Amino acid sequence: DAKTTQPTSMDCAEGRAANLPCNHSTISGNEYVYWYRQIHSQGPQYIIHGLKNNETNEMASLIITEDRKSSTLILPHATLRDTAVYYCIVSDTTSGTYKYIFGTGTRLKVLA
Amino acid sequence: NAGVTQTPKFRILKIGQSMTLQCTQDMNHNYMYWYRQDPGMGLKLIYYSVGAGITDKGEVPNGYNVSRSTTEDFPLRLELAAPSQTSVYFCASSKPQSSYEQYFGPGTRLTVT
Repeated sequence: DAKTTQPTSMDCAEGRAANLPCNHSTISGNEYVYWYRQIHSQGPQYIIHGLKNNETNEMASLIITEDRKSSTLILPHATLRDTAVYYCIVSDTTSGTYKYIFGTGTRLKVLA
Repeated sequence: NAGVTQTPKFRILKIGQSMTLQCTQDMNHNYMYWYRQDPGMGLKLIYYSVGAGITDKGEVPNGYNVSRSTTEDFPLRLELAAPSQTSVYFCASSKPQSSYEQYFGPGTRLTVT
């Protein structure tokens, strides 16, 4: 079973920031948080990941709480093309392989 | 680069038939994965491979077999297809130095009736 809990769906106005929360209260010290998204029926696409510091790349920002029990993915200026299912994944990478367990994710709809 | 390619895109099988889903990547990635996605659900890992000749089971391996004879190819074999294997199958690959970033193919939509 997935180790994360996410809201089933969210709406966001185009041009506004989309804040997608994720709860991972049982996360252990060597587990990272990863975010992927799946647009329509395509294969998922990597967005960002982090351990305990906040991270930012060209797609999004990731804010992880100090106790690491939750995180928020931020799309700073959502566009219609950001409409997708967003998956928050927690995974231990000490084995060197990434055996992700995808939950049901958050379906984000960006509204014009 | 074509990235990760999968064939066929769609397939209908009768119960008890067998088939092989093909997956090829041209990025020279060592790691490859097979997932299935049932309607309205997240992806579940079937098998994965860290290099040619090495495969291992994921979360839901029953009813499937894989092989990895080359770096590029990672075929998934379904023996004795069952309706429970109706799903969309995704293949993915990643490179060891950044294997958190998996690159996914477009998927194969399989229906077993």
